[in-house]
Amino acid sequence: GAVVSQHPSRVICKSGTSVKIECRSLDFQATTMFWYRQFPKKSLMLMATSNEGSKATYEQGVEKDKFLINHASLTLSTLTVTSAHPEDSSFYICSASNGRAPEQYFGPGTRLTVT
Amino acid sequence: GEDVEQSLFLSVREGDSSVINCTYTDSSSTYLYWYKQEPGAGLQLLTYIFSNMDMKQDQRLTVLLNKKDKHLSLRIADTQTGDSAIYFCAETPTGTASKLTFGTGTRLQVTL
Repeated sequence: GAVVSQHPSRVICKSGTSVKIECRSLDFQATTMFWYRQFPKKSLMLMATSNEGSKATYEQGVEKDKFLINHASLTLSTLTVTSAHPEDSSFYICSASNGRAPEQYFGPGTRLTVT
Repeated sequence: GEDVEQSLFLSVREGDSSVINCTYTDSSSTYLYWYKQEPGAGLQLLTYIFSNMDMKQDQRLTVLLNKKDKHLSLRIADTQTGDSAIYFCAETPTGTASKLTFGTGTRLQVTL
């Protein structure tokens, strides 16, 4: 299957700082990328849908000014958690689609810990 | 909204078959997926099935879809210890490049 990477895999930051997470499709062009959040032993919760060159579509209850998403190219989307708080600590996972096939490929995830 | 349910836990012995079940409520589901997640890792796409199919087989994996009952299952033949993981079913109403609704996940434990 196709490869999606995320960077960093783990990050620890202090309250009030901002953290950027990158999601890259390595061997295909991703017209659409999705950002999910996963709490321990829970399922994935979709945060937003990101289309290349346009604004992200956020799910209900997700603050767009807090979770900034940029999809500037067909291989890269970024999620920036601004003014992080301990309750933002979570596992963030992205997925990518080429827009033509039904497969969605997931990155390995980023573990964010806010102290 | 859409709802996707799975049993939380399944334990099988190595060499036996595992059957993981999933029920969903969205009658407009177009594609249904099975993903595997190992501890601390992302999701690995195992297989998917189009809603006009009843069955799909891929090596040790068999997916059965009962659209009338909105029931999806994943059978793993000759289960191995490396199959121990959490398995998520997911559905999407429109197919390509559309958001997935995930089930609650089933933890599969394979014992010797």
